[in-house]
Amino acid sequence: SQQGEEDPQALSIQEGENATMNCSYKTSINNLQWYRQNSGRGLVHLILIRSNEREKHSGRLRVTLDTSKKSSSLLITASRAADTASYFCAGRSSGNTPLVFGKGTRLSVIA
Amino acid sequence: GAGVSQSPSNKVTEKGKDVELRCDPISGHTALYWYRQSLGQGLEFLIYFQGNSAPDKSGLPSDRFSAERTGGSVSTLTIQRTQQEDSAVYLCASSPGRGGGADTQYFGPGTRLTVL
Repeated sequence: SQQGEEDPQALSIQEGENATMNCSYKTSINNLQWYRQNSGRGLVHLILIRSNEREKHSGRLRVTLDTSKKSSSLLITASRAADTASYFCAGRSSGNTPLVFGKGTRLSVIA
Repeated sequence: GAGVSQSPSNKVTEKGKDVELRCDPISGHTALYWYRQSLGQGLEFLIYFQGNSAPDKSGLPSDRFSAERTGGSVSTLTIQRTQQEDSAVYLCASSPGRGGGADTQYFGPGTRLTVL
């Protein structure tokens, strides 16, 4: 079963605009991670936020986590055409248990 | 250092044939994961190894699917009597396996399997 459900499924913006993607999850998590995928192949880890954190920044990325609502958001500021990709959230309940991924948001940044 | 590698990158096979997909994790990573991704979909968990043992095989879709890991390193995912619905990209990931839940998973480029 999928842990995360991203929203929207697809997002198209102009270069320079901000992109916000949301993720809702079903069960308790130890941490939530965001990944990026280009061209349907390997995923690249972007950022991890622990369950006791509310917000985290990394470069142009900002992630928030609301455990009471079981939701997270990923904000990409000042988007670039190279940010065009699919973005997935994934939750982990404990230890080395597998990440459970949502279906992803397909982001298109138009130059 | 080298990342996770997978082979072959693409595999086309006929329905009913067996296929083997290989994953070479990052050296020293004790945890290894297999996922499957159908076109336009999210990742579906298949199986997870900690060392050579598989604590969680819950994602294997049928008994046609099996996986092994030897020497705490290379893993092979085998699909017997392939069906058209097995067509997907099969992704492997590894992580250090330190525990604590905060390990990042490093993904390979995937094997695109097409069953005709």
